[in-house]
Amino acid sequence: ETGVTQTPRHLVMGMTNKKSLKCEQHLGHNAMYWYKQSAKKPLELMFVYSLEERVENNSVPSRFSPECPNSSHLFLHLHTLQPEDSALYLCASSPYIEGLAGEEPPYEQYFGPGTRLTVT
Amino acid sequence: GEDVEQSLFLSVREGDSSVINCTYTDSSSTYLYWYKQEPGAGLQLLTYIFSNMDMKQDQRLTVLLNKKDKHLSLRIADTQTGDSAIYFCAEGSSGGSYIPTFGRGTSLIVHP
Repeated sequence: ETGVTQTPRHLVMGMTNKKSLKCEQHLGHNAMYWYKQSAKKPLELMFVYSLEERVENNSVPSRFSPECPNSSHLFLHLHTLQPEDSALYLCASSPYIEGLAGEEPPYEQYFGPGTRLTVT
Repeated sequence: GEDVEQSLFLSVREGDSSVINCTYTDSSSTYLYWYKQEPGAGLQLLTYIFSNMDMKQDQRLTVLLNKKDKHLSLRIADTQTGDSAIYFCAEGSSGGSYIPTFGRGTSLIVHP
């Protein structure tokens, strides 16, 4: 497969369940991201990993726990979620998170198709 | 208010031009992006413009930037039903982290 893949594509879980979302990128990128896409809200950046280290965590509740075992894989572990956590969760990757000398913009991010999560 | 603002919906007839508008707040924004999200897919970079440019044209797409008013627009000429998608405006800065800030997205609906 090429690009950024996410599994599962759809997930329905109860509030007491534990599940994980998986993201894999085949682009040789060093940075990976989790975004939350809710209807009528700005795309919300949740976590950023650069070279497998978490560099940003935007006040995300602890019921969301990211894991980046290597630069190609990113997980989002979910437990005791709330109905308002229902959303489309997008994974993205990019070559780097910071501009490097000689690197030309547009500093594109490559997105996966997302996991549609429904919490019942 | 939000850092990047867009209207939520736009409906046009096939063959007409579509104009999607965006305003942003960060005066240090260096790059402004338009991403497209088709149904069931992730976002894909459509086009971008540097803040020192006023206009950029790429086939049917025209991007206009008014830096003074912090206003960005995307014009799609001869809109087709395949252009139906959500269009996200995003802004980013050079130097250090250039992770973009996204708006809510504008759903473009093209009627035959």
